[in-house]
Amino acid sequence: DTGVSQNPRHKITKRGQNVTFRCDPISEHNRLYWYRQTLGQGPEFLTYFQNEAQLEKSRLLSDRFSAERPKGSFSTLEIQRTEQGDSAMYLCASSLDQFTDTQYFGPGTRLTVL
Amino acid sequence: AQTVTQSQPEMSVQEAETVTLSCTYDTSESDYYLFWYKQPPSRQMILVIRQEAYKQQNATENRFSVNFQKAAKSFSLKISDSQLGDAAMYFCAYRSARDNRKLIWGLGTSLAVNP
Repeated sequence: DTGVSQNPRHKITKRGQNVTFRCDPISEHNRLYWYRQTLGQGPEFLTYFQNEAQLEKSRLLSDRFSAERPKGSFSTLEIQRTEQGDSAMYLCASSLDQFTDTQYFGPGTRLTVL
Repeated sequence: AQTVTQSQPEMSVQEAETVTLSCTYDTSESDYYLFWYKQPPSRQMILVIRQEAYKQQNATENRFSVNFQKAAKSFSLKISDSQLGDAAMYFCAYRSARDNRKLIWGLGTSLAVNP
């Protein structure tokens, strides 16, 4: 399977705990995006990477959120001190480069904060 | 700032019939891309069709076609010969040609296909 993969698919955690999600983009895609989607809503942009450089962060991304893409391949999204409002589907997408408009999505990680 | 509006939260269609989902957007830019994505229940987001704003010809992908009206800033999706597997949330999305960093999304339309 050469699509975008995300792990875990589901995560249940208690409020105040830290969680980390992983995204593996399509091989050779140098752009990677994180979105958050709550029930009944469209995705909201969180951040994106060009290779290992994080080029933009949404104001939705509070200081409890951090994302990395250390070697320009996979990316991690960490949420510290989770809150119930963080419960959502976290989507990862990748595109070939800055000239290619089509983003391909992974299956998402559904986070539930109790 | 660009916005995308999908005015139909829910739609339904009989199997084998045709349905049209509406999308309007607001932008001051002349060069951009528009997309329709499909998200089946508990499944991942899948690209259905894309349209470049500089192209006058409407995009078509098998049973899926768009009606792109640039002046009216309208981008509707037509699904012909609807199938049960077409049941999903459909999202319209916009991306600037200058700022290719992120997609701006509508709220989605939930499509039910009745047998």
